[in-house]
Amino acid sequence: DAGITQSPRHKVTETGTPVTLRCHQTENHRYMYWYRQDPGHGLRLIHYSYGVKDTDKGEVSDGYSVSRSKTEDFLLTLESATSSQTSVYFCAILLAGSDTQYFGPGTRLTVL
Amino acid sequence: AQSVTQLDSQVPVFEEAPVELRCNYSSSVSVYLFWYVQYPNQGLQLLLKYLSGSTLVKGINGFEAEFNKSQTSFHLRKPSVHISDTAEYFCAHTSGTYKYIFGTGTRLKVLA
Repeated sequence: DAGITQSPRHKVTETGTPVTLRCHQTENHRYMYWYRQDPGHGLRLIHYSYGVKDTDKGEVSDGYSVSRSKTEDFLLTLESATSSQTSVYFCAILLAGSDTQYFGPGTRLTVL
Repeated sequence: AQSVTQLDSQVPVFEEAPVELRCNYSSSVSVYLFWYVQYPNQGLQLLLKYLSGSTLVKGINGFEAEFNKSQTSFHLRKPSVHISDTAEYFCAHTSGTYKYIFGTGTRLKVLA
């Protein structure tokens, strides 16, 4: 599992509230990613990071922000959650030298 | 822009029959291709990958895929499926930019 954990694993929140999801890795990987998975859309990239304090947007970044203040943690924040952000969120790392991503177990977020 | 197309959203097949799941990618200079499997309520697990070399790639659980540059395809095959292969399968592509594009997924349902 490449030492990736996500927290929380499940969360129910209300529209308009802020939400932060955490991805934690134990193996010092440089690249980390946040995706959302929705039926009929597959996985879509939200943001990714290529080092501490270095992040970039993906294809569905509106309404999301990220932070990476240390190598092992990559945080995804929904500043004001909306029902359209109900989804399953996956974190991934890139295994150096292999061009291969490995995924965390996912966080199921429901925004009411 | 990179894109990945999985033409079949669902594929039903009888146990012990062969199966092919189709994937087409947008052409680019560098091509790295992946197949992931997602069992119900789980994260994504790497099945196989093509980075370079032999165009026929063998993966876990008896799956294989063939990279076809002229047809920009990377179809996944298994000669004889089992009930336990019931899952969703995702094709992914990167051109070496550290951004990965996923297809919309194919649900394989193996029937007894």
